[in-house]
Amino acid sequence: DVKVTQSSRYLVKRTGEKVFLECVQDMDHENMFWYRQDPGLGLRLIYFSYDVKMKEKGDIPEGYSVSREKKERFSLILESASTNQTSMYLCASIAGGTYNEQFFGPGTRLTVL
Amino acid sequence: ELKVEQNPLFLSMQEGKNYTIYCNYSTTSDRLYWYRQDPGKSLESLFVLLSNGAVKQEGRLMASLDTKARLSTLHITAAVHDLSATYFCAGIEYSGGGADGLTFGKGTHLIIQP
Repeated sequence: DVKVTQSSRYLVKRTGEKVFLECVQDMDHENMFWYRQDPGLGLRLIYFSYDVKMKEKGDIPEGYSVSREKKERFSLILESASTNQTSMYLCASIAGGTYNEQFFGPGTRLTVL
Repeated sequence: ELKVEQNPLFLSMQEGKNYTIYCNYSTTSDRLYWYRQDPGKSLESLFVLLSNGAVKQEGRLMASLDTKARLSTLHITAAVHDLSATYFCAGIEYSGGGADGLTFGKGTHLIIQP
């Protein structure tokens, strides 16, 4: 019954490294999202995508980029990781047209040293 | 820009009691979502409220939506320990392209004590 998967549950990287977080959904959803969650700040939208090769900035896109080459896959890229990007990263998807339930992946806890 | 405020942010209650979590939002949101999150885990969808007056119930949880007041509530009836978690409400904005992502409240950390 897998719906949204993320490539890693835990990840430790060093400052300055390029980091790829992968998200795959098996529900044929058009819309996909990346959030980060921090204590006291809640969940904040980083980037989202309406369709293949489309991307839109969310509330906090600085320091991040995304790629969506296939409908089922949405990647978050940290071009040069910094310690303030240590966080829990959550991927989600939602079907186009109905805008009902948004499914979340299990999350990736990223630590940047 | 949609803003979502929850209160209380922290709630400690005893088993068997009833309580309500409130969620106010600032502009029109066509959907209102409630999620549950356990420590170290992802978000689990509880309810999606689609229209004014919508009420949904699952076990001891009941959610309602009043779009005129821009208010949603999550009511807990006869709380049990297993309901201890953080609860989030979220609204959504749409643009021409599609869904713009959810805007979340800060979450209500609920502890239910025996």
